[in-house]
Amino acid sequence: AQSVSQHNHHVILSEAASLELGCNYSYGGTVNLFWYVQYPGQHLQLLLKYFSGDPLVKGIKGFEAEFIKSKFSFNLRKPSVQWSDTAEYFCAGHPRGGYQKVTFGTGTKLQVIP
Amino acid sequence: EAQVTQNPRYLITVTGKKLTVTCSQNMNHEYMSWYRQDPGLGLRQIYYSMNVEVTDKGDVPEGYKVSRKEKRNFPLILESPSPNQTSLYFCASSIGIPDTDTQYFGPGTRLTVL
Repeated sequence: AQSVSQHNHHVILSEAASLELGCNYSYGGTVNLFWYVQYPGQHLQLLLKYFSGDPLVKGIKGFEAEFIKSKFSFNLRKPSVQWSDTAEYFCAGHPRGGYQKVTFGTGTKLQVIP
Repeated sequence: EAQVTQNPRYLITVTGKKLTVTCSQNMNHEYMSWYRQDPGLGLRQIYYSMNVEVTDKGDVPEGYKVSRKEKRNFPLILESPSPNQTSLYFCASSIGIPDTDTQYFGPGTRLTVL
């Protein structure tokens, strides 16, 4: 079945540490991928998205993600996290073309300690 | 202000009592969708609609109904709610299909079924 998986369920980092959250997908063919963030008590907001072109995608708030087709991965990175990055992060994706459903990963809770 | 609104934001009800959660967007978006968010399971799509009078099942449609009589509204109907439908529900919309467009999420509706 087509899916998106996140293996880190809960990550705790100190401020200024570097962040990398894993995301893997199992779609065949071309794929669109997204990272969303959900701050405590708020709704989901788009961080960044990949449709085609440069596999290194830059998003808001200093986040970036790299699409590695050979590894079926779309990991989210940030060189130096802040306390305000404490949130839950969701990877999502679907095959490109046609009317397809978006599938979300199970989410990764990031806690940044001051 | 461009937004997706949901009502109510919080609802406590009893088993079997029909309820409707409304969703409205003011961005003239064609695509609308309902998700439920549960701990450890991430977001799972319930139903989606690609345009007026066009709806289709997502991954977890059992126990839910939707309608799309107007472009801006996409209500979620629980004809006979059960405790396993206790969850956090999000409505989302995008200009076209999520294939090429970002989804904008509503603030969420926290439903408890006793």
